[in-house]
Amino acid sequence: RKEVEQDPGPFNVPEGATVAFNCTYSNSASQSFFWYRQDCRKEPKLLMSVYSSGNEDGRFTAQLNRASQYISLLIRDSKLSDSATYLCVVIPGGSYIPTFGRGTSLIVHP
Amino acid sequence: DAGVTQSPTHLIKTRGQQVTLRCSPKSGHDTVSWYQQALGQGPQFIFQYYEEEERQRGNFPDRFSGHQFPNYSSELNVNALLLGDSALYLCASSSPPGQEITQYFGPGTRLTVL
Repeated sequence: RKEVEQDPGPFNVPEGATVAFNCTYSNSASQSFFWYRQDCRKEPKLLMSVYSSGNEDGRFTAQLNRASQYISLLIRDSKLSDSATYLCVVIPGGSYIPTFGRGTSLIVHP
Repeated sequence: DAGVTQSPTHLIKTRGQQVTLRCSPKSGHDTVSWYQQALGQGPQFIFQYYEEEERQRGNFPDRFSGHQFPNYSSELNVNALLLGDSALYLCASSSPPGQEITQYFGPGTRLTVL
């Protein structure tokens, strides 16, 4: 089993839709979690950290489920500009080695 | 506030050659990590430098080596290039290990090995 797994998609949704991605991780000692966004042929950029209690940033909501070992990202009211690949990142406790998932591709169409 | 910079942006090499990639971290950061991102995959951690020493290393062969300078900039060296080394090489900077671990990425160097 891979350390961090994501459905590569693509998720193809209309503008205004709500879409959710999950990311599962295998190391139960993982302590830090992030979502990054990567546009085509560009570098990853931090979208948001994921906190145990869940957190929201505008249209984006991130949640952590430690019991089932997954994190999720919910995007409400999708915009064309949300089209990108969304990478989840997991960092085990005591280590500073981030493990990236392969990313989930989102395409928002008019 | 200067972000992470990398050079060159693109590079074409042939099998067996050696390559050096360069990275300058974001202002205020002293930790530099290097990643390899193959097409359609997430970034894979190569190694991390802090205080001019390699602190962590991922599952990459010894052909991959690095260096960090007193001004925190860093180099990634790859010897005996293979076709499979073709990828986007990303540098990320952050605060010292144990502090804020959010990483900021540079634009990357796209390496093509022919």
